[in-house]
Amino acid sequence: EAGVVQSPRYKIIEKKQPVAFWCNPISGHNTLYWYRQNLGQGPELLIRYENEEAVDDSQLPKDRFSAERLKGVDSTLKIQPAELGDSAVYLCASTGIGIGTDTQYFGPGTRLTVL
Amino acid sequence: AQSVTQLDSQVPVFEEAPVELRCNYSSSVSVYLFWYVQYPNQGLQLLLKYLSGSTLVKGINGFEAEFNKSQTSFHLRKPSVHISDTAEYFCAVSVWNDYKLSFGAGTTVTVRA
Repeated sequence: EAGVVQSPRYKIIEKKQPVAFWCNPISGHNTLYWYRQNLGQGPELLIRYENEEAVDDSQLPKDRFSAERLKGVDSTLKIQPAELGDSAVYLCASTGIGIGTDTQYFGPGTRLTVL
Repeated sequence: AQSVTQLDSQVPVFEEAPVELRCNYSSSVSVYLFWYVQYPNQGLQLLLKYLSGSTLVKGINGFEAEFNKSQTSFHLRKPSVHISDTAEYFCAVSVWNDYKLSFGAGTTVTVRA
Protein backbone atom coordinates (compact mmCIF):
# COMPACT_ATOMS: atom_id res chain seq x y z
CA GLU A 1 0.00 0.00 0.00
CA ALA A 2 1.39 3.38 -0.99
CA GLY A 3 1.90 5.89 1.79
CA VAL A 4 1.15 9.58 1.81
CA VAL A 5 2.74 11.22 -1.23
CA GLN A 6 3.93 14.81 -1.24
CA SER A 7 5.55 16.93 -3.90
CA PRO A 8 7.82 18.64 -4.37
CA ARG A 9 10.24 17.41 -1.71
CA TYR A 10 12.22 20.63 -1.76
CA LYS A 11 11.40 24.14 -2.90
CA ILE A 12 13.51 27.29 -2.89
CA ILE A 13 11.84 30.59 -3.74
CA GLU A 14 12.40 34.27 -3.21
CA LYS A 15 10.18 36.20 -0.84
CA LYS A 16 6.95 37.56 -2.24
CA GLN A 17 6.76 34.68 -4.73
CA PRO A 18 3.87 32.19 -4.65
CA VAL A 19 4.38 28.50 -3.89
CA ALA A 20 2.16 25.43 -3.83
CA PHE A 21 2.49 22.02 -2.23
CA TRP A 22 0.61 18.90 -3.23
CA CYS A 23 -0.45 15.92 -1.14
CA ASN A 24 -2.07 12.63 -2.02
CA PRO A 25 -3.24 10.74 1.08
CA ILE A 26 -3.40 7.00 1.58
CA SER A 27 -6.17 5.53 -0.55
CA GLY A 28 -9.47 5.51 1.32
CA HIS A 29 -8.38 7.96 4.00
CA ASN A 30 -11.03 10.63 4.32
CA THR A 31 -9.24 12.88 6.81
CA LEU A 32 -6.30 14.95 5.64
CA TYR A 33 -4.08 17.28 7.65
CA TRP A 34 -1.51 19.91 6.76
CA TYR A 35 1.16 20.70 9.34
CA ARG A 36 4.04 23.15 9.45
CA GLN A 37 7.25 22.12 11.19
CA ASN A 38 9.68 24.89 11.98
CA LEU A 39 13.33 24.03 12.55
CA GLY A 40 13.87 22.41 15.92
CA GLN A 41 10.17 22.21 16.72
CA GLY A 42 7.33 19.76 16.51
CA PRO A 43 4.69 19.96 13.78
CA GLU A 44 1.82 22.41 14.20
CA LEU A 45 -1.56 21.86 12.60
CA LEU A 46 -2.54 24.30 9.86
CA ILE A 47 -5.76 22.75 8.57
CA ARG A 48 -7.78 19.55 8.76
CA TYR A 49 -10.15 18.22 6.10
CA GLU A 50 -12.94 15.71 6.44
CA ASN A 51 -13.47 14.68 2.82
CA GLU A 52 -13.66 17.99 0.95
CA GLU A 53 -14.70 20.09 3.94
CA ALA A 54 -12.18 22.09 5.96
CA VAL A 55 -13.36 21.35 9.52
CA ASP A 56 -10.50 23.03 11.39
CA ASP A 57 -8.57 25.90 9.80
CA SER A 58 -8.22 28.02 12.92
CA GLN A 59 -4.39 27.95 12.73
CA LEU A 60 -4.16 28.74 9.02
CA PRO A 61 -2.88 32.30 8.33
CA LYS A 62 -5.63 33.13 5.91
CA ASP A 63 -4.14 36.37 4.68
CA ARG A 64 -1.52 34.48 2.69
CA PHE A 65 -2.27 30.76 3.03
CA SER A 66 -5.00 28.84 1.26
CA ALA A 67 -5.81 25.18 0.81
CA GLU A 68 -8.20 23.08 -1.18
CA ARG A 69 -9.32 19.49 -1.43
CA LEU A 70 -11.89 19.74 -4.18
CA LYS A 71 -12.79 16.08 -4.70
CA GLY A 72 -12.00 14.89 -1.21
CA VAL A 73 -8.86 13.09 -2.27
CA ASP A 74 -5.66 15.01 -2.97
CA SER A 75 -5.01 18.47 -1.60
CA THR A 76 -3.01 21.59 -2.39
CA LEU A 77 -1.63 24.10 0.09
CA LYS A 78 -0.67 27.50 -1.29
CA ILE A 79 1.24 30.46 0.06
CA GLN A 80 0.99 33.81 -1.69
CA PRO A 81 3.09 35.81 -1.18
CA ALA A 82 5.75 33.88 0.72
CA GLU A 83 7.68 35.53 3.55
CA LEU A 84 11.04 34.69 5.04
CA GLY A 85 9.33 33.28 8.13
CA ASP A 86 7.50 30.70 6.03
CA SER A 87 10.69 28.66 5.64
CA ALA A 88 9.79 25.31 7.20
CA VAL A 89 8.85 21.73 6.40
CA TYR A 90 5.22 21.31 5.37
CA LEU A 91 3.86 17.92 6.29
CA CYS A 92 0.73 16.21 5.10
CA ALA A 93 -0.94 13.41 7.04
CA SER A 94 -4.05 11.30 6.67
CA THR A 95 -6.26 9.00 8.72
CA GLY A 96 -9.01 6.57 7.91
CA ILE A 97 -12.56 6.48 9.18
CA GLY A 98 -13.09 5.85 12.87
CA ILE A 99 -14.13 7.33 16.16
CA GLY A 100 -11.70 8.94 18.54
CA THR A 101 -8.17 9.61 17.43
CA ASP A 102 -6.81 7.28 14.79
CA THR A 103 -3.21 7.00 13.81
CA GLN A 104 -2.06 9.80 11.55
CA TYR A 105 0.16 8.65 8.70
CA PHE A 106 2.64 11.28 7.56
CA GLY A 107 4.19 11.99 4.21
CA PRO A 108 7.89 12.88 3.79
CA GLY A 109 7.16 16.60 3.73
CA THR A 110 8.12 19.53 1.53
CA ARG A 111 11.07 21.59 2.75
CA LEU A 112 10.49 25.22 1.80
CA THR A 113 13.29 27.76 1.82
CA VAL A 114 12.36 31.39 1.29
CA LEU A 115 15.27 33.67 0.37
CA ALA B 1 -5.92 23.13 25.76
CA GLN B 2 -3.39 20.36 26.03
CA SER B 3 0.37 20.73 25.76
CA VAL B 4 3.47 18.55 25.73
CA THR B 5 6.92 19.08 27.22
CA GLN B 6 9.84 16.95 26.18
CA LEU B 7 12.37 17.37 28.91
CA ASP B 8 15.50 16.58 26.91
CA SER B 9 16.33 18.28 23.65
CA GLN B 10 19.33 16.04 22.93
CA VAL B 11 20.24 12.60 24.20
CA PRO B 12 23.59 11.10 23.21
CA VAL B 13 23.88 7.38 23.92
CA PHE B 14 26.29 4.57 23.15
CA GLU B 15 25.25 1.60 21.05
CA GLU B 16 23.65 -1.24 23.05
CA ALA B 17 23.03 1.06 26.02
CA PRO B 18 19.51 1.78 27.28
CA VAL B 19 17.76 5.06 26.56
CA GLU B 20 14.83 6.91 28.10
CA LEU B 21 13.13 9.92 26.56
CA ARG B 22 10.98 11.93 28.91
CA CYS B 23 7.60 13.40 28.04
CA ASN B 24 5.16 15.26 30.27
CA TYR B 25 1.78 16.54 29.22
CA SER B 26 -0.88 18.82 30.58
CA SER B 27 -4.58 18.44 30.01
CA SER B 28 -7.76 18.87 31.99
CA VAL B 29 -9.43 15.92 30.29
CA SER B 30 -8.56 12.37 29.26
CA VAL B 31 -5.90 12.13 26.61
CA TYR B 32 -4.42 9.86 24.01
CA LEU B 33 -0.63 9.78 23.83
CA PHE B 34 1.74 9.04 20.98
CA TRP B 35 5.43 8.72 20.21
CA TYR B 36 6.59 9.38 16.66
CA VAL B 37 10.07 9.01 15.17
CA GLN B 38 11.46 11.15 12.35
CA TYR B 39 14.53 9.97 10.49
CA PRO B 40 16.51 12.57 8.53
CA ASN B 41 14.60 13.97 5.57
CA GLN B 42 11.61 11.73 6.23
CA GLY B 43 8.12 12.13 7.61
CA LEU B 44 6.96 11.04 11.02
CA GLN B 45 6.42 7.35 11.75
CA LEU B 46 4.34 6.11 14.65
CA LEU B 47 6.31 4.17 17.25
CA LEU B 48 3.50 3.49 19.69
CA LYS B 49 0.33 4.93 21.16
CA TYR B 50 -1.69 4.83 24.36
CA LEU B 51 -5.46 5.03 24.00
CA SER B 52 -6.68 3.10 27.04
CA GLY B 53 -6.09 -0.09 29.00
CA SER B 54 -2.64 -1.27 30.05
CA THR B 55 -0.38 1.59 30.96
CA LEU B 56 2.66 -0.18 29.49
CA VAL B 57 2.61 0.10 25.74
CA LYS B 58 4.91 -1.77 23.40
CA GLY B 59 5.72 -0.44 19.96
CA ILE B 60 7.88 -1.12 16.97
CA ASN B 61 11.65 -1.53 16.94
CA GLY B 62 11.79 -2.63 20.58
CA PHE B 63 10.46 0.61 22.06
CA GLU B 64 8.00 0.79 24.93
CA ALA B 65 6.39 3.57 26.93
CA GLU B 66 4.55 3.81 30.22
CA PHE B 67 1.58 6.06 30.83
CA ASN B 68 1.56 7.54 34.33
CA LYS B 69 -1.61 9.49 34.94
CA SER B 70 -0.66 10.80 38.38
CA GLN B 71 2.60 12.20 37.06
CA THR B 72 1.11 13.13 33.67
CA SER B 73 4.02 11.44 31.94
CA PHE B 74 4.56 9.13 28.99
CA HIS B 75 8.25 8.27 28.93
CA LEU B 76 9.72 6.26 26.07
CA ARG B 77 12.34 3.55 26.67
CA LYS B 78 14.47 1.09 24.80
CA PRO B 79 16.73 -1.37 26.64
CA SER B 80 19.41 -1.53 23.95
CA VAL B 81 19.79 0.99 21.14
CA HIS B 82 21.30 0.58 17.69
CA ILE B 83 23.03 3.04 15.43
CA SER B 84 19.88 3.03 13.30
CA ASP B 85 17.88 4.51 16.20
CA THR B 86 19.58 7.85 15.59
CA ALA B 87 16.63 10.15 14.85
CA GLU B 88 14.31 12.82 16.21
CA TYR B 89 11.59 11.60 18.55
CA PHE B 90 8.34 13.44 19.15
CA CYS B 91 5.79 12.98 21.89
CA ALA B 92 2.25 14.03 21.02
CA VAL B 93 -1.09 14.27 22.82
CA SER B 94 -4.69 14.53 21.73
CA VAL B 95 -7.91 14.83 23.64
CA TRP B 96 -10.46 12.05 23.54
CA ASN B 97 -12.68 12.34 20.46
CA ASP B 98 -10.61 15.18 19.00
CA TYR B 99 -8.25 14.52 16.14
CA LYS B 100 -5.92 17.42 16.82
CA LEU B 101 -2.41 16.37 17.79
CA SER B 102 -0.21 18.66 19.89
CA PHE B 103 3.48 17.83 19.58
CA GLY B 104 6.43 18.42 21.83
CA ALA B 105 9.56 20.12 20.53
CA GLY B 106 11.32 16.82 19.95
CA THR B 107 14.31 14.95 21.34
CA THR B 108 17.32 14.25 19.15
CA VAL B 109 18.83 10.86 19.88
CA THR B 110 22.36 10.27 18.64
CA VAL B 111 23.68 6.74 18.97
CA ARG B 112 27.44 6.33 18.88
CA ALA B 113 29.47 3.15 18.41
